[in-house]
Amino acid sequence: DAGITQSPRHKVTETGTPVTLRCHQTENHRYMYWYRQDPGHGLRLIHYSYGVKDTDKGEVSDGYSVSRSKTEDFLLTLESATSSQTSVYFCAISDREQETQYFGPGTRLLVL
Amino acid sequence: DQQVKQNSPSLSVQEGRISILNCDYTNSMFDYFLWYKKYPAEGPTFLISISSIKDKNEDGRFTVFLNKSAKHLSLHIVPSQPGDSAVYFCAASERNSGYSTLTFGKGTMLLVSP
Repeated sequence: DAGITQSPRHKVTETGTPVTLRCHQTENHRYMYWYRQDPGHGLRLIHYSYGVKDTDKGEVSDGYSVSRSKTEDFLLTLESATSSQTSVYFCAISDREQETQYFGPGTRLLVL
Repeated sequence: DQQVKQNSPSLSVQEGRISILNCDYTNSMFDYFLWYKKYPAEGPTFLISISSIKDKNEDGRFTVFLNKSAKHLSLHIVPSQPGDSAVYFCAASERNSGYSTLTFGKGTMLLVSP
């Protein structure tokens, strides 16, 4: 299994509070991704990174920001959490040459 | 507009029989396709992939077929086992786009009964 961890694994927060989710990898892969999974929507890309300090928006980026200051860490921040951001968040990594993405265990976020 | 479609939300199969999961895509620029399996409370795990230069790829009990003219791929599981019960996601990417982002379908829940 790819060495990917996500923290926290579960979080309950209130509307309007900032939330940061962390993804940590030990594979030294260049590419990192944040997805959310919701019933009826499958997996949707929020943001991705193609190197340290290099990030780009995905399909559902509104309300989210990311940062990558080190190869191994990719942070997802909800600046002001809303109930619509209640979801399961997955981090993934990939090696460009392989193109297959490997996923972390997920973070379940509940915004009340 | 969905570029990757899995039109069957669920599929039930008996143990030992064949499971066939289908996926359609609309973007003709997709040239690499993957299947992922997901158990509850876990992250998706990579299962099998196929490049657009091939029409079949096999790995043990799992075979993926690609029909480029129909923009259709399918995953065959033979024989199906109860441990195969999970949600299966089809995904596609454009290798020549510069970055390896994936577009996922909504998933099909497979239930294999003993």
